[in-house]
Order: sequence, then C-alpha cells, then structure tokens
Amino acid sequence: EVQLAESGGGLVQPGGSLRLSCVATGFNFNNYWLHWVRQAPGRGLVWLSQIHGDATTKNYADSVRGRFTISRDNSLKTVYLQMTSLTPEDTALYFCARNTSESAGAFDVWGRGTLVTVSS
Amino acid sequence: SSDLTQPPSVSVSPGQTATITCSGLKLRNKFPYWYQQKAGQSPVLVIYEEDKRPSGVPERFSASTSGNTATLTIRGTQPMDEADYYCQVWDSYSVVFGGGTELTVL
Repeated sequence: EVQLAESGGGLVQPGGSLRLSCVATGFNFNNYWLHWVRQAPGRGLVWLSQIHGDATTKNYADSVRGRFTISRDNSLKTVYLQMTSLTPEDTALYFCARNTSESAGAFDVWGRGTLVTVSS
Repeated sequence: SSDLTQPPSVSVSPGQTATITCSGLKLRNKFPYWYQQKAGQSPVLVIYEEDKRPSGVPERFSASTSGNTATLTIRGTQPMDEADYYCQVWDSYSVVFGGGTELTVL
C-alpha cells in the first residue's frame, strides 16, 4: 500500500528546534518530489517546502525560508523537515505529500500528519 | 489570507448541487487542483488536470474554470461529502492553496 507516515512532532518551547520525519512505503521513493504542508488549528493548508527525488533541488515558502530545511535520505525512504527558531505561529499539524513535478502536478498521497505545538 | 479566495462556507441540502468557487489572479490560464478534507483526516485529491477524477472519486464531482475563477461542482450532494474543500495552483516553484470552504450538507 502506498503510504506516507510523519513523526517527530511534539511540544517545543519558543525559540526551539524540531526535526520532523516522513517515511514512505509502497512506491518508488526516488521518483517523487516530496513536500511539507502545514495546517494550523482551525485554519487552512499552507505549503512549506519541496525537494526533488535526488535532493538536488529544494524550494521553500517565503514564510519559512532560512528557518526550515528540507532534506531526504533515499536509502531510508525518508524526508525530513528541520525547523528552527520556532514561534507559537508555527503550531500546526504538519503533513508530507508527494507529487511528480517541480512546478506542476497534484499531491496524490498525503500522510496523516504530525502535530507540532510551540508553547512555553 | 490566501491569494486564492474561496467562500468560507457553503450549505446545501442532500441531493442538491453544491458549487464552491476559487478566484484570484494566480488562477489565470491555470486549472486548479481540488482537495477534500474531512474532519480529522488528511486532504484527499478529488480533481486534477482541469476536470479529471482520481480512481474512487464519485462522478458527481466535477470542475470548471473561466478566467480567474474556478468552480468545483458536486451534483446530488451526499451527507458523506460534508468536508472542507481546498483549491490549489502552482505559482512558479511554489504552491498556493485557497483558504478553504466548509461544505455543510443539511
């Protein structure tokens, strides 16, 4: 079965850091762009970042560029999101999703999300 | 706020037609993707490439675009269609989602 499964969320203090992981199963991981999308409580979807199958290309939303870093380990079929300088506004459910192109295509598979809470 | 504007909420009676709009300059010459997100669940793709439905998405879901406005139409709306719906486009090498529309079936 094609699946994405996020982990690594939790409670972190303002100014802290956290690394999220997303493990893929059931498909050729190397062939896909992987993305991170977040959803604050009661709010809409916000795209954060994407990474090419071979990790050579990465793109970020302006809101997180410089604070968040996306990476992947194809041997582990895992994509990561390293988050630093976290603020309460980063509190959200973080999803990973896949697609097949850098600037086109739909997100056809999503994980269930991992919850990040930034609070003192 | 999002560059793609959706009505915050739409209500429809069972069996009737629901229409959800998505508008904005970033839609120009593009066909958005549409996602359905039921309460407590992950988003699910329901429309891609203008008006195509992934396997498993009922035929009652369709979409169209005219100018800077796209429309998701659900004909014969069922209670199971109650969910939040999001449009999405690509803006160069980034992704833009609409603010989402809560569809209530009552």
